[in-house]
Amino acid sequence: SQTIHQWPATLVQPVGSPLSLECTVEGTSNPNLYWYRQAAGRGLQLLFYSVGIGQISSEVPQNLSASRPQDRQFILSSKKLLLSDSGFYLCAWSVGGVRNQPQHFGDGTRLSIL
Amino acid sequence: GNSVTQMEGPVTLSEEAFLTINCTYTATGYPSLFWYVQYPGEGLQLLLKATKADDKGSNKGFEATYRKETTSFHLEKGSVQVSDSAVYFCALNSGGSNYKLTFGKGTLLTVNP
Repeated sequence: SQTIHQWPATLVQPVGSPLSLECTVEGTSNPNLYWYRQAAGRGLQLLFYSVGIGQISSEVPQNLSASRPQDRQFILSSKKLLLSDSGFYLCAWSVGGVRNQPQHFGDGTRLSIL
Repeated sequence: GNSVTQMEGPVTLSEEAFLTINCTYTATGYPSLFWYVQYPGEGLQLLLKATKADDKGSNKGFEATYRKETTSFHLEKGSVQVSDSAVYFCALNSGGSNYKLTFGKGTLLTVNP
């Protein structure tokens, strides 16, 4: 069966520091991968998605970047964190190349910027 | 473009009450429809899905029917429990080349004993 791992679970960082959040998927090949942010309240904002290695699409211009160095690895980064980067970050995957598939989410990373 | 509208709540019910969370959508083509649940401090879990008109998705006592004529996918449960307290998201996938999901804003459900 497929599993998705996200780490760390919680992170406290000072303003201006760098960020690296990692997500890996097991049990499937060539998945679509996604990064979301859930700010205060409940809404989900899609940040990046990827349909293959090295292929990144950005949904919202911002202080963050994403990379996919391996088929099942998706990394969210920042060179200098802002206070507004605080939030709950979720990684997700879906079956690649197949229509109408659901996305499956990791447990999330709670990021607090001080 | 695609959009999902769901009742924002919050919804507060007593244990064993009947639950309905309304969801309507706008989409091109023939979307698949999903309900996700998010328990406090956790990620989203797929609760149920329906891929074509008149399909009924069901799981853990929850169910929702894909109604193309009313573009709706309302979530229902006959008897809620305290453990059902969570945020519920309606979502759709209209296929295409990137397989993105369009989410509603979420509905917070609180069930009191």
